[in-house]
Amino acid sequence: KAGVTQTPRYLIKTRGQQVTLSCSPISGHRSVSWYQQTPGQGLQFLFEYFSETQRNKGNFPGRFSGRQFSNSRSEMNVSTLELGDSALYLCASSPSVNNEQFFGPGTRLTVL
Amino acid sequence: DQQVKQNSPSLSVQEGRISILNCDYTNSMFDYFLWYKKYPAEGPTFLISISSIKDKNEDGRFTVFLNKSAKHLSLHIVPSQPGDSAVYFCAASKIQGAQKLVFGQGTRLTINP
Repeated sequence: KAGVTQTPRYLIKTRGQQVTLSCSPISGHRSVSWYQQTPGQGLQFLFEYFSETQRNKGNFPGRFSGRQFSNSRSEMNVSTLELGDSALYLCASSPSVNNEQFFGPGTRLTVL
Repeated sequence: DQQVKQNSPSLSVQEGRISILNCDYTNSMFDYFLWYKKYPAEGPTFLISISSIKDKNEDGRFTVFLNKSAKHLSLHIVPSQPGDSAVYFCAASKIQGAQKLVFGQGTRLTINP
């Protein structure tokens, strides 16, 4: 089975712009979670989608949003980018509840 | 508020010896714990997990111990191999399989030949 894929792998944006990141889960996995990894804060949970519905949400401002499509692919969007949004954004998928999460390689976002 | 803490940013161990990585948590509602391993330019890879109803779980060279009264868990790797050099993250959740994982800051393990 192919693993979790994320596109793009690297992205450079400027302050005030918006960005959309994409995640394709492992085939058959219905849950997709997003995490932000920064040197200072470590890995922090953003949100989780299951069957096109947001099921869990972390403590991030409303500038961070996401969605999931009927094929389980997910996108996350960050609007009005700030310098502090520079991070590695990781997507993880799992078949359903009671299963471990499988992570993609991440998208490295740099905000200038 | 760091609910899951890995107080050692780095650890260096000789090949063949035991590596012990530690993790502390503050939220008594956590009842499922996981360890992930991360190589540069890759996402974290699941290693091993433990439910709060157990105090030990073993999988090959990897053993996780849980001390609920101390809110402490540890990962033992025996024997350590050069390929084990990576960053190790401890994570916790409130129910098994819950997708909202709370991660520690990570410990960089280096295995020296």
